[in-house]
Amino acid sequence: QVQLQQSGAGLVKPSQTLSLTCAISGDSVSSNSVVWNWIRQSPSRGLEWLGRTYYRSKWYNDYAVSVKSRITINPDTSKNQFSLQLNSVTPEDTAVYYCARDGRPFTSRSLFDYWGQGTLVTVSS
Amino acid sequence: DIQMTQSPSSLSASVGDRVTITCRASQSISTYLNWYQQKPGKAPKLLINAASSLQSGVPSRFSGSGSGTDFTLTISSLQPEDFATYYCQQSYSTPQTFGQGTKVEIK
Repeated sequence: QVQLQQSGAGLVKPSQTLSLTCAISGDSVSSNSVVWNWIRQSPSRGLEWLGRTYYRSKWYNDYAVSVKSRITINPDTSKNQFSLQLNSVTPEDTAVYYCARDGRPFTSRSLFDYWGQGTLVTVSS
Repeated sequence: DIQMTQSPSSLSASVGDRVTITCRASQSISTYLNWYQQKPGKAPKLLINAASSLQSGVPSRFSGSGSGTDFTLTISSLQPEDFATYYCQQSYSTPQTFGQGTKVEIK
């Protein structure tokens, strides 16, 4: 059974960097058949996909245009986890952040089948 | 980006009612459409994949249909544990986008 366990700071000051980690059990961050994603949810923006990382002989990342200049998603193979860093945050980045696995990526059956528990991140001084 | 529009935004229903939620895509997405259920304080849970394929363990009272731009999630007989918010999500193109949600409340 795949489990995703999130950790990271719940309060970040404006202009600083949001950092979250998603630890994977029951699967591998280096799997060449799945994709690892970050998604956030806020009342104003709803559910918003932020980006993903995946391994297909080498590492790839894709990011949402809305955050592309500020986001980094990195895999950590030694700890079987992946991380989210979002720079220069503003109050508009306040949201619940989720990590999620796409178990059938790049197919007609692509889906987010496993999710982390969610982390409420508040951007405030 | 593909816009996903759900209707209604909320509905009130009674246990045993048949409930239908609609999701419309701003362009054709074939059957690249998933449905999720979310309860307060929890992550979304996948119910239906590829427009009509029920996930393992999901009760058969849930069903999905549609293709192209118009999709439907139906709950044939609403149960107390079904009161939640439901989201559609397209996986046709990146970025994958979600509808704004439909909250199903107790009448």
